Amino acid sequence: NFMLTQPHSVSESPGKSVTISCTGSSGSIASNYVQWYQQRPGSAPTTVIYEDSQRPSGVPDRFSGSIDSSTNSASLTISGLKTEDEATYYCQSYDRSTYVVFGGGTTLTVL
Amino acid sequence: QITLKESGPTLVKPTQTLTLTCTFSGFSLRTSGVGVGWIRQAPGKALEWLALIYWDDDKRYSPSLKSRLTITKDTSKNQVVLTMTNMDPVDTATYYCAHRPPWGTSLVFDPWGHGTLVTVSS
Repeated sequence: NFMLTQPHSVSESPGKSVTISCTGSSGSIASNYVQWYQQRPGSAPTTVIYEDSQRPSGVPDRFSGSIDSSTNSASLTISGLKTEDEATYYCQSYDRSTYVVFGGGTTLTVL
Repeated sequence: QITLKESGPTLVKPTQTLTLTCTFSGFSLRTSGVGVGWIRQAPGKALEWLALIYWDDDKRYSPSLKSRLTITKDTSKNQVVLTMTNMDPVDTATYYCAHRPPWGTSLVFDPWGHGTLVTVSS
């Protein structure tokens, strides 16, 4: 089955940038769009990136997404980190056999 | 404004069948491309996709749970219902429903309901 692997946690200081990776287990991650969701404790997920690199309205341009075919990975980069960015971030994509797939989530600590 | 709200029992016994209802507003399941999905999250764990139903009644299920899941829609009531049979304590989780927008080809879920916590215990 297709899987998406994320680092369990990352941490960085306010004002800095951080990149969270999401690696596909097989095939080409570039073949199907990747989404990124932010989930704060006790809240439902919200979309921060869809279709690899598109930002929904209301999401600051500090959030960006990209695909690296050479590593079969998607990445979420958050620049100018703020304490409010502390959350767990999930990548999600599609696979013909598994259909909808979520990554295991990455907890971002801003300290 | 699109909103979704999950409802159903907060406690079910092992082996029972869980029935959850997602009541939504701000969109119609008659609109081409629209879908409603169910996703769950066990305490402290990652998101797990369960099922998705489209405007044309196309239904997709998680392969690992397919034998236990049924998703249906009532377009006139703006509701989507998920049933899960043979509940087990490992099914204890917060269950979310979410809107699949009609635009694009990606399987994005946006927005999500607030979720409902279901505990499986005797």
